[in-house]
Amino acid sequence: GAGVSQSPSNKVTEKGKDVELRCDPISGHTALYWYRQSLGQGLEFLIYFQGNSAPDKSGLPSDRFSAERTGGSVSTLTIQRTQQEDSAVYLCASSYPDRVENEQYFGPGTRLTVT
Amino acid sequence: SQQGEEDPQALSIQEGENATMNCSYKTSINNLQWYRQNSGRGLVHLILIRSNEREKHSGRLRVTLDTSKKSSSLLITASRAADTASYFCATALGSWGKLQFGAGTQVVVTP
Repeated sequence: GAGVSQSPSNKVTEKGKDVELRCDPISGHTALYWYRQSLGQGLEFLIYFQGNSAPDKSGLPSDRFSAERTGGSVSTLTIQRTQQEDSAVYLCASSYPDRVENEQYFGPGTRLTVT
Repeated sequence: SQQGEEDPQALSIQEGENATMNCSYKTSINNLQWYRQNSGRGLVHLILIRSNEREKHSGRLRVTLDTSKKSSSLLITASRAADTASYFCATALGSWGKLQFGAGTQVVVTP
């Protein structure tokens, strides 16, 4: 079956512009996660969705970052007024709900470059 | 700060050799998982070990977990060039399995 997909795969934007990153999770996965990975670093948790609600937004670095999920499926991560430090690979993952043994399935990521 | 810290940061070995990397963490966990990342993009789940398990095998992978020391190790036996990748440990916290990742070990296997 289809895996997690993300679009665009690469995005170059000017400082101060807004960007939207999209994630299509695996069908049936009600849990969805966004992570950020800066060059040579590990993954930084951003936000977790269970269905359309986000019980954990603790990783969002500032109020310029927001995310939504509609229909329990597609999610969009929006970064407003982008800054150079926002440059990173943004990874989305999905998993089955309510499982402590939470194997996450990752998309290929969106590489964001802010110039 | 990172929940998991991998050691070493980088590892270079020849094909056929074994590769061992370690992960230390700070708080109580539900489980610990290892992931592989090729070329800085999507991660692939390798193996999960529960907090009440001490050792687990999957193919050429062997994972150990010592909850008293808050540490885990991943052993790749008989490495292949295709094993070249970054390897991350991730600890599952809380009731919904939030994962916290370490900074990773970059493994290079030369033919």
